[in-house]
Amino acid sequence: EIVLTQSPATLSLSPGERATLSCRASQSVSRYLAWYQQKPGQAPSLLIYDASNRATGIPARFSGSGSGTDFTLTISSLEPEDFADYYCQHRSNWPFTFGPGTKVDIK
Amino acid sequence: EVQLVQYGAEVKKPGEFLKISCKGSGYSFTSYWIGWVRQMPGKGLEWMGIIYPGDSDTRYSPSFQGQVTISADKSISTAYLQWSSLKASDTAMYYCARPGSAGTYRDGFDIWGQGTMVTVSS
Repeated sequence: EIVLTQSPATLSLSPGERATLSCRASQSVSRYLAWYQQKPGQAPSLLIYDASNRATGIPARFSGSGSGTDFTLTISSLEPEDFADYYCQHRSNWPFTFGPGTKVDIK
Repeated sequence: EVQLVQYGAEVKKPGEFLKISCKGSGYSFTSYWIGWVRQMPGKGLEWMGIIYPGDSDTRYSPSFQGQVTISADKSISTAYLQWSSLKASDTAMYYCARPGSAGTYRDGFDIWGQGTMVTVSS
């Protein structure tokens, strides 16, 4: 089973700042890595798939990069609605796994 | 509109049976895999398993193999997650989710149900 680790666990930033979230896999997942956003009381929603492709309707301030074992989600300028939990997830093989998440909160 | 609909909440006692549902609409239910994800209170997301309603091909994550049963009734476009004997540690939110592409589970999951909160307490 592939283990995903995310860092930092919590990221405290102000609106307008740049957020950089990291996800590392215990073995190569090629580019089969997705990012999800989850707001309190809501289901997760897909942001990025295959490392760098934005899902339908996702603003351009969200971008993903990486391949193999190291991936990054960047939010170029935080909007108030971006303060949430973010999870990476691989689809390299079954079982899929999620990372433990990064909480982006308001500084 | 493509959607997955789940009921809001279940309250059960330890040892009881439970089957929760996820009804798909707005798309060809038999052509898309459906996955189940657990989120324990205040914790992260965990994949439990996935099913292809077209032929009931089912995969389980090792942590959940033997602990739950995933099934589907394609005649009513509904997937199920069931427990034969609940434990307090099964208390969690359970989401169903569908990938973006037909015929494969190896895709981003872009359609999610609203979740079913299961509380197990004596």
